Amino acid sequence: QVTLKESGPVLVKPTETLTLTCTVSGFSLSNGRMGVSWVRQPPGKALEWLAHIFSNDEKSYSTSLKSRVTISKDTSKSQVVLTMTNMDPVDTATYYCARSGFWSGYFVFHFDYWGQGILVTVSS
Amino acid sequence: DIQMTQSPSSVSASVGDRVTITCRASQGISSWLAWYQQKPGKAPKLLIYAASNLQSGVPSRFSGSGSGTDFTLTISSLQPEDFATYFCQQTNSFSLTFGGGTKVEIK
Repeated sequence: QVTLKESGPVLVKPTETLTLTCTVSGFSLSNGRMGVSWVRQPPGKALEWLAHIFSNDEKSYSTSLKSRVTISKDTSKSQVVLTMTNMDPVDTATYYCARSGFWSGYFVFHFDYWGQGILVTVSS
Repeated sequence: DIQMTQSPSSVSASVGDRVTITCRASQGISSWLAWYQQKPGKAPKLLIYAASNLQSGVPSRFSGSGSGTDFTLTISSLQPEDFATYFCQQTNSFSLTFGGGTKVEIK
């Protein structure tokens, strides 16, 4: 079955760089019809999309966070990595990775599988 | 970026009620809209994609409609397990964006 699982630090200090890993199973990151995004959610607030990576390594980033976020993947390890620089307390959130795919002849960007999420707190 | 506005932000309803949630896009997105349900401490769950397509395994009491800028999620007969927060998401173009959420509470 398809699973995604986030891992990384749960506490980072202001100005530090956050690195999160999403390990997937049940599908391949080299599958031309699949992609993975990172989405975050501050406590009690709405969801915010951060970045997406396609199987061909093409990437797309949030307009507002483009200067701070990098997404990459290691297909052999079935992992997608998110890095976010210059962390601030406002970046405290649950970070999710999620899968998107292909439907009716189109790449689609709704998320049919999600990881459980990892709560990252930014505090000194 | 395309802004997604959901209304209402919260609704109180009883089991068996019909509940309607709306989502408006700041520009036309054709039918590229998804709906999710989220319960406390859990990841979102996909309910509807491409505005009106029911995700596999989702009960048929959930339905979606709309195109262009105005969309609706309807729960035809609210069940106890449906009390949750619902989000819309435009899937038309990057940057992908979500609505602010609608919390469905017990009346």
